[in-house]
Amino acid sequence: QLQLQESGPGLVKPSETLSLTCTVSGGSISSSSYYWGWIRQPPGKGLEWIGSIFYSGTTYYTPSLKSRVTISVDTSKNRFSLRLSSVTAADTALYFCARGSRRNDAFDIWGPGTMVTISS
Amino acid sequence: QSVLTQPPSVSAAPGQKVTISCSGSTSNIGGSFVSWYQQLPGTAPKLLIYENNKRPSGIPDRFSGSKSGTSATLGITGLQTGDEADYYCGTWDASLSSGVFGGGTKLTVL
Repeated sequence: QLQLQESGPGLVKPSETLSLTCTVSGGSISSSSYYWGWIRQPPGKGLEWIGSIFYSGTTYYTPSLKSRVTISVDTSKNRFSLRLSSVTAADTALYFCARGSRRNDAFDIWGPGTMVTISS
Repeated sequence: QSVLTQPPSVSAAPGQKVTISCSGSTSNIGGSFVSWYQQLPGTAPKLLIYENNKRPSGIPDRFSGSKSGTSATLGITGLQTGDEADYYCGTWDASLSSGVFGGGTKLTVL
């Protein structure tokens, strides 16, 4: 059964770069039927779609974060990563990675999430 | 301000039925499949409905979805206290070239 697990620092200083990795286990990240996404949820607020990547490396980003976000994939290690630069307190959130379907854009498998706090 | 509009909250008594709406535009709901997610407190979202009205394996038929034009609706019948959660709609927005979610609806089972 495919599982996703986020990892990375729980505390990042303002103006620095947030870096998270999502490790895929129980299946291959190199599937043409799926893509891999990052979604975040600020405390007490709703879900925000950040971006997605196909195993080929093609990426899509939400316009509001596009200038600061980079998503990459490492098929040899079956994982994908998120980098968000110049962070502020507004980037404090629970960050989820998830598998998305190319056919219908539904996220059918999610990681448990990792809390990232932006603070000096 | 979310691209997709959901009511902030809905409530109903146990055993009753509730519907949650999700309103968008021709660039998102009007041209793409809609998904619905349930998020119980302290947990990751769970896929409830995909392709507007299909249920993943293991999701009871008390949950249903529909779509008409630029709006979608999630229906839940036979409400249980365990259904108390936040519900989100999601889809692809062709104008933004990105995915989008609704603001979420908190369901209270009175």
